[in-house]
Amino acid sequence: NAGVTQTPKFQVLKTGQSMTLQCAQDMNHNSMYWYRQDPGMGLRLIYYSASEGTTDKGEVPNGYNVSRLNKREFSLRLESAAPSQTSVYFCASSAGNSNQPQHFGDGTRLSIL
Amino acid sequence: ILNVEQSPQSLHVQEGDSTNFTCSFPSSNFYALHWYRWETAKSPEALFVMTLNGDEKKKGRISATLNTKEGYSYLYIKGSQPEDSATYLCALMSGYSTLTFGKGTMLLVSP
Repeated sequence: NAGVTQTPKFQVLKTGQSMTLQCAQDMNHNSMYWYRQDPGMGLRLIYYSASEGTTDKGEVPNGYNVSRLNKREFSLRLESAAPSQTSVYFCASSAGNSNQPQHFGDGTRLSIL
Repeated sequence: ILNVEQSPQSLHVQEGDSTNFTCSFPSSNFYALHWYRWETAKSPEALFVMTLNGDEKKKGRISATLNTKEGYSYLYIKGSQPEDSATYLCALMSGYSTLTFGKGTMLLVSP
């Protein structure tokens, strides 16, 4: 019972490099989300996809792009990584209704030097 | 940007103590209030989703109440155990399908 799977789990990049974080869910959920978690800041929404074929900006979208490849997969891309993007990234999915919880992946710890 | 406040920021209790945390949120345009439990080195796990004013939910020794008119929710843990040590997050859904998270209350339960 995989739930939400994120890859990779850890990554170190140099400033200016690009990278795509992958996320897949097997719960047939409509909505998917990308968050970043920084010390003292809590979870902040980067981008979300309310349904297949749509994406929208969250609270902190600058420096990121996303692709909802199909219903299962939602990727997050850093085109030119900056040290300020050092963070732990979480992908989540939900059925999309307000009374349904979000299910989180295990996170990707990303360091940018 | 919505302001979801959690207090206290951290809490250290002894095994067997009962404890409670507060989540405060703007009461306008309320859709739902979520509680999550987040253990170190793991991912957040849903505890409760509450949608109605006066809602009270319970899971084992953990319960939660909701007051949407005044904009707060309480999470209670009865007889805390070391395995309850975690960060407890609340999150507000106020439209679309997105959540705004508080910064969490970090609970440490000592044996």
